[in-house]
Amino acid sequence: NAGVTQTPKFRILKIGQSMTLQCTQDMNHNYMYWYRQDPGMGLKLIYYSVGAGITDKGEVPNGYNVSRSTTEDFPLRLELAAPSQTSVYFCASRPGLAGMNTGELFFGEGSRLTVL
Amino acid sequence: TQLLEQSPQFLSIQEGENLTVYCNSSSVFSSLQWYRQEPGEGPVLLVTVVTGGEVKKLKRLTFQFGDARKDSSLHITAAQPGDTGLYLCAGGSGGSNYKLTFGKGTLLTVNP
Repeated sequence: NAGVTQTPKFRILKIGQSMTLQCTQDMNHNYMYWYRQDPGMGLKLIYYSVGAGITDKGEVPNGYNVSRSTTEDFPLRLELAAPSQTSVYFCASRPGLAGMNTGELFFGEGSRLTVL
Repeated sequence: TQLLEQSPQFLSIQEGENLTVYCNSSSVFSSLQWYRQEPGEGPVLLVTVVTGGEVKKLKRLTFQFGDARKDSSLHITAAQPGDTGLYLCAGGSGGSNYKLTFGKGTLLTVNP
């Protein structure tokens, strides 16, 4: 069972470069999320999606963009990378809340990004 | 903006001791989840509580949701080194609970 897969696991960028963090899930979940985690700061929501073709901003969307063309994939795009975007990024998915679903978030292993 | 405050931020104890960590807010949440995160990995769900006053037990871990659904606690009995990790609480809101607000976490170290 693959679950949520993120690539790359590690990346170093120079200021001003762009890149895309890839996220794919094989659980047919409607909801997908991107969080960033900084030391001592918990998880901050960047963007989320409630289904293919639908995305919305979270708490800290500036400097990022997302798309959701399929149920499986939810890439996060960083344009003009800045040192403030140095962080660990987590993609997560969850099923809908019908029936006995607890709303559990399933996380990927994270992508550690450093901007120098 | 809904905020979740977790305390303590850091906790270091000896194997066999008991401990309680807290998750507090001024806002009401329709559900509250606890996750544990180990170094280099994503968080993993421990429990979801949805009813005010609800108590759930998971082996040596006891979770309680406050009567007013604004706070929660996690109690660990006879802690073991395998309990070491970052404990995060997350509150659900919105009509379908699709947005979760996370606390900053409690970093627990259990020394052998």
